[in-house]
Amino acid sequence: KAGVTQTPRYLIKTRGQQVTLSCSPISGHRSVSWYQQTPGQGLQFLFEYFSETQRNKGNFPGRFSGRQFSNSRSEMNVSTLELGDSALYLCASSSEDGLNEQYFGPGTRLTVT
Amino acid sequence: DAKTTQPNSMESNEEEPVHLPCNHSTISGTDYIHWYRQLPSQGPEYVIHGLTSNVNNRMASLAIAEDRKSSTLILHRATLRDAAVYYCILYGTSYGKLTFGQGTILTVHP
Repeated sequence: KAGVTQTPRYLIKTRGQQVTLSCSPISGHRSVSWYQQTPGQGLQFLFEYFSETQRNKGNFPGRFSGRQFSNSRSEMNVSTLELGDSALYLCASSSEDGLNEQYFGPGTRLTVT
Repeated sequence: DAKTTQPNSMESNEEEPVHLPCNHSTISGTDYIHWYRQLPSQGPEYVIHGLTSNVNNRMASLAIAEDRKSSTLILHRATLRDAAVYYCILYGTSYGKLTFGQGTILTVHP
């Protein structure tokens, strides 16, 4: 089985712009979670989607949003980028109800200048 | 979220066993104990998880205390590739939300 894929792998944006990141889960997995990793805050949970519905959300501002499509692929969007949004964004997929082990993608490295 | 406590760092020699401890005294009955690791420049990697009984898989073993307030991840023969940050996480009913702490940085010496 192919693993979790994320595109793009690297991205450079300017403050104030918006960005969309994509995640394709492992085939058959219906739960997709998103995380932000920074040197200062470590790995932090953004949100989780299951069957196109957001079931859980972390403590991030409304500028961070996501969605999931019927094929379980997911996107996350960050609007009005700030310098502090520079981070590695990771997505993870899980089978069934989302309480099983998660399989992470390689991440998208976002740099905001 | 229930909290876990891990040593900041540990060292091991190649081909020796490694025991990585984790304390979770506030664990609830529905919390599973998950372990992940993150190698440099990679996303986290699932290692193993368990509820009450000890668990084994091709990567590691998980020993869970009888009162479930602590657990130990066992790497039977460390290799250089096992050098990573290891995270012990309690995962219960909060869908999709793994709460990562600081983890244990494992250094493996040749």
